[in-house]
Amino acid sequence: EAGVAQSPRYKIIEKRQSVAFWCNPISGHATLYWYQQILGQGPKLLIQFQNNGVVDDSQLPKDRFSAERLKGVDSTLKIQPAKLEDSAVYLCASSFNRGGGETQYFGPGTRLLVL
Amino acid sequence: AQKVTQAQTEISVVEKEDVTLDCVYETRDTTYYLFWYKQPPSGELVFLIRRNSFDEQNEISGRYSWNFQKSTSSFNFTITASQVVDSAVYFCALSEALDNFNKFYFGSGTKLNVKP
Repeated sequence: EAGVAQSPRYKIIEKRQSVAFWCNPISGHATLYWYQQILGQGPKLLIQFQNNGVVDDSQLPKDRFSAERLKGVDSTLKIQPAKLEDSAVYLCASSFNRGGGETQYFGPGTRLLVL
Repeated sequence: AQKVTQAQTEISVVEKEDVTLDCVYETRDTTYYLFWYKQPPSGELVFLIRRNSFDEQNEISGRYSWNFQKSTSSFNFTITASQVVDSAVYFCALSEALDNFNKFYFGSGTKLNVKP
């Protein structure tokens, strides 16, 4: 079974530029998560989708971050405009929606450096 | 307040030593789930174990074992006879059920250095 795919793996941009990340979850997984992991910290949930609907985006900086999950499969996360403090690893995870304590499976992440 | 606390920021051991990583959680739910993930230098978070709040039996998987104690809200992870390949950052996580979805909280992680 293929795992969670993410691209690109690395991205370097200048502040105020825009950037987009792509995630393809494990086949059949209804729930998709985007996390931000700053160096030396644990992952912080940005947004959680159930199929193509948002169930939690309470920690998403909505003035600059946006995400969508069209057709309930692939998802994109966008930052516009980027700030220096957005430098982090962006992790995508997915889980099968059986209800209760679903295990999340993570992709390799996208390392973003904002200069 | 932190939902998941991993007080040990970094631990260094010599190969073959046993090491325990601590995890303390906070929840008012009666039904919840606890997880451990490993993050090697490559960066990908690897799932290790999931336990539900109704199952307090300790679990052993090879050199790995987990001790779940509801009385102290702890879910500790022990590696027996550590190896260099165990060097990684280990995260403890808590999942609570909210309305129609599960909310996850990760601890800040414990970096384990196993020296040859």
